[in-house]
Amino acid sequence: SQKIEQNSEALNIQEGKTATLTCNYTNYSPAYLQWYRQDPGRGPVFLLLIRENEKEKRKERLKVTFDTTLKQSLFHITASQPADSATYLCALGSRAGSYQLTFGKGTKLSVIP
Amino acid sequence: DAGITQSPRHKVTETGTPVTLRCHQTENHRYMYWYRQDPGHGLRLIHYSYGVKDTDKGEVSDGYSVSRSKTEDFLLTLESATSSQTSVYFCAIRPDSGGGNTIYFGEGSWLTVV
Repeated sequence: SQKIEQNSEALNIQEGKTATLTCNYTNYSPAYLQWYRQDPGRGPVFLLLIRENEKEKRKERLKVTFDTTLKQSLFHITASQPADSATYLCALGSRAGSYQLTFGKGTKLSVIP
Repeated sequence: DAGITQSPRHKVTETGTPVTLRCHQTENHRYMYWYRQDPGHGLRLIHYSYGVKDTDKGEVSDGYSVSRSKTEDFLLTLESATSSQTSVYFCAIRPDSGGGNTIYFGEGSWLTVV
């Protein structure tokens, strides 16, 4: 069965360092992969999308890589700030026309001042 | 702001009662989704719709039904609520154009079944 794993439930990091979150998947061939941010009591908010034929995407302090051979995506936040503290969700996009997303359970990132 | 409104935002109901959650969008996009989010499971798709009266099941559809009689509204109904349906429910939309394959979420509906 399809499985998506985000490397850890929680990650603590010092302010100013680079946070790296991992998303691994099995038994899946996604057309694209997305990362979302979710704050407590709020809905997920889209951050970045990367397609299967792309290796890397950047947006300001965010960088996503996608390795379809390893079946893995890495999500980096450089120069992390306490305001980056949130839960980050990885989501795989279906090839079907329904544009469905299958989500990982998320990693809770805490940036310590 | 994706123009998504969920109602009610919070509800406590008794086991066995019917419950309907409403998702309203202001942009008339075709695709709408209902997800539930639970600790240890993450977000899971319940049902989705790709147009008026066009709906399909997701991963965890048992015990739920949906209806879409107008483009702007997507209703999720629990015919007879059970304690296992205590969860946070998120509605989402996929913009018809300009958004790629991104979906945008509402703020959630917290449902407690006692």
